[in-house]
Amino acid sequence: NAGVTQTPKFQVLKTGQSMTLQCAQDMNHEYMSWYRQDPGMGLRLIHYSVGAGITDQGEVPNGYNVSRSTTEDFPLRLLSAAPSQTSVYFCASSYKGLVKTFFGQGTRLTVV
Amino acid sequence: KNQVEQSPQSLIILEGKNCTLQCNYTVSPFSNLRWYKQDTGRGPVSLTIMTFSENTKSNGRYTATLDADTKQSSLHITASQLSDSASYICVVSTYGSGNTGKLIFGQGTTLQVKP
Repeated sequence: NAGVTQTPKFQVLKTGQSMTLQCAQDMNHEYMSWYRQDPGMGLRLIHYSVGAGITDQGEVPNGYNVSRSTTEDFPLRLLSAAPSQTSVYFCASSYKGLVKTFFGQGTRLTVV
Repeated sequence: KNQVEQSPQSLIILEGKNCTLQCNYTVSPFSNLRWYKQDTGRGPVSLTIMTFSENTKSNGRYTATLDADTKQSSLHITASQLSDSASYICVVSTYGSGNTGKLIFGQGTTLQVKP
């Protein structure tokens, strides 16, 4: 099993550009989520999904979109990048019940 | 408001020494409490998971304790090694009825082990 795979690992965007962060898991987990990690703060939930076709907002959803067309994939879209979105982004997956949550390696995004 | 607070923010110890990290939480409903280790540039990796009824859980040189009455947890690292240098994150799960819930993250304690 590859676990949770995120791409790219690093990305630099100009303000106003859009991009998609990819996340895939091969553990058949129902629950997938996106977090951002900023210095001195705990991980904050952006969006999450409890199954294919079902998504919901987390704590800091503004400026981000998600979709879940398959169990395996949960991409995160930045619609119009802003410097405030400079952060490290983590994708996570788990079975329902949130036990044994697995994290990807992270995507370090810089918006200039 | 659901919160998880960790202390200290950072810690430096000598190789071979023991240390204890603290976590206080105000989260409801409480499902379980986890400790994660996050190496620089990597994603968090689970060390221990404890439910309400568990007081202690070990994983090698890592031992976590939970006091559900005072809503406190600690992570004790024994005989530290250079590879223990990382950020340690306390996370509380609010998963409850209706198949809903979230993970509430502490801000982490950065541990540096020096030779």
